[in-house]
Amino acid sequence: GAGVSQSPRYKVTKRGQDVALRCDPISGHVSLYWYRQALGQGPEFLTYFNYEAQQDKSGLPNDRFSAERPEGSISTLTIQRTEQRDSAMYRCASSLSLSSREGRYEQYFGPGTRLTVT
Amino acid sequence: AQSVSQHNHHVILSEAASLELGCNYSYGGTVNLFWYVQYPGQHLQLLLKYFSGDPLVKGIKGFEAEFIKSKFSFNLRKPSVQWSDTAEYFCAVIALTDSWGKFQFGAGTQVVVTP
Repeated sequence: GAGVSQSPRYKVTKRGQDVALRCDPISGHVSLYWYRQALGQGPEFLTYFNYEAQQDKSGLPNDRFSAERPEGSISTLTIQRTEQRDSAMYRCASSLSLSSREGRYEQYFGPGTRLTVT
Repeated sequence: AQSVSQHNHHVILSEAASLELGCNYSYGGTVNLFWYVQYPGQHLQLLLKYFSGDPLVKGIKGFEAEFIKSKFSFNLRKPSVQWSDTAEYFCAVIALTDSWGKFQFGAGTQVVVTP
């Protein structure tokens, strides 16, 4: 079946503009995660959702970043008044649920959106 | 706060050589551990995971990892690498008492296998 998709794949924007990054998870996946990955670093947790509820947004760097998943499927990560330091790869992942008896479900990652703020 | 460290940022080796990538984490409680791989031009995908039980876990493509609780380590190994193993490898940890969705990833190790 289809995997996690993200759009756009590449986004170049000018400093001060708002951007919206979209994630379409695997159908039926309850949990959805957003990560940011700087060059040479691993993915850094931003936020995650169970269905439409945002469970943890402790990784969002500041109040310019927000995320929503209004119908429990597609999610949008919005960055307002972008700054050059926001340039990174933004990755979305989804999982069937949070956990089973055995442990955390595997997260399936999308291809990412490469954001460049000029 | 928990953290994950991967000892090598870049590894270059020849085909048929053995590979071992180190991963250490700093959390004293129960954890779930994962290794993800990103092949050139592809997304992150799961290599293997450890939840409980046998500390030696086997994953796809001949990879295995050993969980050593006393050392807070989860090292990845492959006895004989192939050129197609060229990729970036990430260790990830989640503490079971932490926010349930909050995976912590290491910085990654770029592995280049030469023919």
